[in-house]
Amino acid sequence: DAGVTQSPTHLIKTRGQHVTLRCSPISGHKSVSWYQQVLGQGPQFIFQYYEKEERGRGNFPDRFSARQFPNYSSELNVNALLLGDSALYLCASSRQGGRTYEQYFGPGTRLTVT
Amino acid sequence: KNEVEQSPQNLTAQEGEFITINCSYSVGISALHWLQQHPGGGIVSLFMLSSGKKKHGRLIATINIQEKHSSLHITASHPRDSAVYICAAADYTDKLIFGTGTRLQVFP
Repeated sequence: DAGVTQSPTHLIKTRGQHVTLRCSPISGHKSVSWYQQVLGQGPQFIFQYYEKEERGRGNFPDRFSARQFPNYSSELNVNALLLGDSALYLCASSRQGGRTYEQYFGPGTRLTVT
Repeated sequence: KNEVEQSPQNLTAQEGEFITINCSYSVGISALHWLQQHPGGGIVSLFMLSSGKKKHGRLIATINIQEKHSSLHITASHPRDSAVYICAAADYTDKLIFGTGTRLQVFP
């Protein structure tokens, strides 16, 4: 089975632009979580979606939004990009709501904002 | 103070050495994850545990719920073990809280 896939792999954007990142979970996994990892730091939780509903949200501004589709894939949208949004964005999938199930991580999307 | 603390931040070892990485957390958890991150960013889940001890090959993870402490041990370390090791606490609000990671370098 394919693992968690993310697209694009790398992305360069300018301040003020918006970006959409995509994630496809492992087949059979219904939960997707998004994390932001700034260089040199541990990942920070952004969102969790389960069965197309938001199950949790981290301490991120409203410029960050996400959604999950009927096929359980997910999009993370960031509006009005700031330099500080430059980071590795990781997606993880799990069978159910996440907290008691192992999470499988995708390779990440590296976003650079100039 | 971070909710999840790891030590040491950096660790160097000679091939064959026994390695221990420690993780302390201050939140209530439903599970504790140990993850491995290689240069380039890919993260691999090593262990998820909520009590006791787990072993996969040369890797051993333990957790003491009362003391809110977990350890990751690597026996007979090898240069291919060089990576960043991250512990993450799964709290009761369905999210992972990550430590800042331990950068391990194993030299031949």
